[in-house]
Amino acid sequence: QKEVEQDPGPLSVPEGAIVSLNCTYSNSAFQYFMWYRQYSRKGPELLMYTYSSGNKEDGRFTAQVDKSSKYISLFIRDSQPSDSATYLCAMNGGGTSYGKLTFGQGTILTVHP
Amino acid sequence: ETGVTQTPRHLVMGMTNKKSLKCEQHLGHNAMYWYKQSAKKPLELMFVYNFKEQTENNSVPSRFSPECPNSSHLFLHLHTLQPEDSALYLCASSYGEDQGGQFFGPGTRLTVL
Repeated sequence: QKEVEQDPGPLSVPEGAIVSLNCTYSNSAFQYFMWYRQYSRKGPELLMYTYSSGNKEDGRFTAQVDKSSKYISLFIRDSQPSDSATYLCAMNGGGTSYGKLTFGQGTILTVHP
Repeated sequence: ETGVTQTPRHLVMGMTNKKSLKCEQHLGHNAMYWYKQSAKKPLELMFVYNFKEQTENNSVPSRFSPECPNSSHLFLHLHTLQPEDSALYLCASSYGEDQGGQFFGPGTRLTVL
């Protein structure tokens, strides 16, 4: 079993839709959770960063962490064609696992006009 | 220059060549990382440097040799590579005490013939 599972998609939605991206994980030591966006031929760009359980909102993006279910989500409201990219979840356990991010495979998202 | 820069952006090399990848961060960070990104696979952490000291070597073959002369520069020396080493090589940096929030460069697309 992979430590982090992420549906690779591809996911295709119309402009203006609400997008839900998800990851599940198996390591209960993970405490720090991130979402990255990666455009074609570019490096990943940090979108959201949360610690432990709860919600965090930034503009059209909301990140949710449910540690009891080992499940994290990224919601994109009013999706735009410019949101078309690969979205990567990543997580880290802190402490002695310093700097060691574990990534999901990435979900390819296309938002069509 | 801002953020994390990587050179070259593209590299084609034969299996007997020796080449080096360069990364420079302009963010005042003190930790730097090398990742490998292959098609349909999660990002794989290769090496971690914290305050110029290597703190992680994720079972990487010896044909990859990292070098971190200071907290702003990171190199990946390549020799006698295999075709399966063809991938996107990403450099990232962060504040040493920050468990998340790694910032990535654009990557070097490496092709080994």
